[in-house]
Amino acid sequence: EAEVAQSPRYKITEKSQAVAFWCDPISGHATLYWYRQILGQGPELLVQFQDESVVDDSQLPKDRFSAERLKGVDSTLKIQPAELGDSAMYLCASSLVGQPDYEQYFGPGTRLTVT
Amino acid sequence: AQSVSQHNHHVILSEAASLELGCNYSYGGTVNLFWYVQYPGQHLQLLLKYFSGDPLVKGIKGFEAEFIKSKFSFNLRKPSVQWSDTAEYFCAVNARTAGNKLTFGGGTRVLVKP
Repeated sequence: EAEVAQSPRYKITEKSQAVAFWCDPISGHATLYWYRQILGQGPELLVQFQDESVVDDSQLPKDRFSAERLKGVDSTLKIQPAELGDSAMYLCASSLVGQPDYEQYFGPGTRLTVT
Repeated sequence: AQSVSQHNHHVILSEAASLELGCNYSYGGTVNLFWYVQYPGQHLQLLLKYFSGDPLVKGIKGFEAEFIKSKFSFNLRKPSVQWSDTAEYFCAVNARTAGNKLTFGGGTRVLVKP
């Protein structure tokens, strides 16, 4: 069964350092999502791509976060500089298209700890 | 903007007990509703969804949920839980006008004691 791949699974970094996460969606899925899940809370959408274009990045802290999906396939989420409050699980999801009837499939996530 | 609240943060129950998890959302328009589950060590997966039609929807593993429009609620139920139902459960809402954007509740951790 096809799955969303993410790496690394765990990342520990010091504050003010740069960190990057990678996501490879299910093959053929045009829509890709990055969520942040703070401990004890539900996932919150950071950015949504349709192919290589950003559809929604209203909740992305653009002063330090950036996301790209250059060829419309895999994607990278970057944080620079990292802050203590960025410690969280970063989830990637994909769906065939970005319409409500299409299920989002989630990857295993990257757990970030900022010290 | 829509929001989702889940009333219980933690639930502990014994095998064979019945489970009901509350979910309320705030949004005045038409919504799609979801329950996701995350088993220990696994990733989020869809348990069930409601788009339209019969407000009582059945999902995998014996779970069901009822959409009550007048109460803005979408509660999850299972008549008899098993130890393997130990997991975290998330309610999510998608406003039909917001593309495929999901807004999640804070989650409920369920521990089923054998």
